[in-house]
Amino acid sequence: DVKVTQSSRYLVKRTGEKVFLECVQDMDHENMFWYRQDPGLGLRLIYFSYDVKMKEKGDIPEGYSVSREKKERFSLILESASTNQTSMYLCASYQGVRRAFFGQGTRLTVV
Amino acid sequence: AQSVTQLGSHVSVSEGALVLLRCNYSSSVPPYLFWYVQYPNQGLQLLLKYTTGATLVKGINGFEAEFKKSETSFHLTKPSAHMSDAAEYFCAVGSGYSTLTFGKGTMLLVSP
Repeated sequence: DVKVTQSSRYLVKRTGEKVFLECVQDMDHENMFWYRQDPGLGLRLIYFSYDVKMKEKGDIPEGYSVSREKKERFSLILESASTNQTSMYLCASYQGVRRAFFGQGTRLTVV
Repeated sequence: AQSVTQLGSHVSVSEGALVLLRCNYSSSVPPYLFWYVQYPNQGLQLLLKYTTGATLVKGINGFEAEFKKSETSFHLTKPSAHMSDAAEYFCAVGSGYSTLTFGKGTMLLVSP
């Protein structure tokens, strides 16, 4: 059974903290993605990666960075968390949009 | 460039009634189109997809959608709603090895 696993389902962090959201896939996909989901806004692409050590900005990269040191792992980093980054974060892995797989999501609350 | 518009942030139906969720897209290349469902506190689950071939696509749980190129639409339907269909539904567009672009979602409410 193919899987995209996000390390945490729920996180609570303080303003100004550095936050790491981790995503691991077991399908040997080259492409991995981070989306942010907010009510009324749908899913918006933050960053994606086409290969190890490669990254591309999505539609809303401000305030975020990413790391892809290994093919199976893609990390989203909030350098200094702010309350407006309270959201649901979804990781996806796909080798072509026809077969996309999503993690269960991480609900991050910044207080 | 690609974009998706979902008409109606909330749709309410009675159990047994027809479900119709609307999606229009914009794409500069032939699109692949998708409907995903999200149940509370869950990730996204693929309902159905159109890539090539038959324009009427059947998915899981009795849902289907029809790709209409002339109308740039991919509306989702189900003949008879069930309480378990209550969820948020997302339409998405992509092409080949592009990224997936999502609509803002439609919350389906089903009343007894």
